Amino acid sequence: NAGVTQTPKFQVLKTGQSMTLQCAQDMNHEYMSWYRQDPGMGLRLIHYSVGAGITDQGEVPNGYNVSRSTTEDFPLRLLSAAPSQTSVYFCASRDRGNTGELFFGEGSRLTVL
Amino acid sequence: GQNIDQPTEMTATEGAIVQINCTYQTSGFNGLFWYQQHAGEAPTFLSYNVLDGLEEKGRFSSFLSRSKGYSYLLLKELQMKDSASYLCAGRNQAGTALIFGKGTTLSVSS
Repeated sequence: NAGVTQTPKFQVLKTGQSMTLQCAQDMNHEYMSWYRQDPGMGLRLIHYSVGAGITDQGEVPNGYNVSRSTTEDFPLRLLSAAPSQTSVYFCASRDRGNTGELFFGEGSRLTVL
Repeated sequence: GQNIDQPTEMTATEGAIVQINCTYQTSGFNGLFWYQQHAGEAPTFLSYNVLDGLEEKGRFSSFLSRSKGYSYLLLKELQMKDSASYLCAGRNQAGTALIFGKGTTLSVSS
């Protein structure tokens, strides 16, 4: 049971570089979301999606793009990385059911120099 | 508004009971969740309340008062492995996303 798979687990970037964090889930969940976690700040919602072709902004969307072309995949793109984007990123998914339990990936630690 | 407030840190001893409080703006959320996160790991789901009252699940219980914008997580018979961060989260009114508080780091000592 793979669940939610994030890649890469670790990445170091230079300021201005671009990259994509990949997220895939095999549970046929409609809802997917990306969070970043910084010390003392908790989990902050970046973008989320309620189904293929539908995305919306969360609390801290600036500097990030997402797309949802399939139910399984929800990549997060950094077009021009900044040191302020150094963080641990978590992808999560859930079904449309009422409990709303989120299933998280293992996280991706990104450092921007 | 969707502010969620919880204490930053708490300490307790093995075998004790601890209550972690969470307050939020009442107009913001439809359902309250609690997650546990051990250092270096992803959060894992603990409990969910959508109606007022107490939900019990083994050593863990969660309470919600929607009119007061208040929830708590109660941990009984504390064990060393309960040392972790506990995250309170509210589901937005549309039901499409969870917004998290900053988390409470619980340290359990022997």
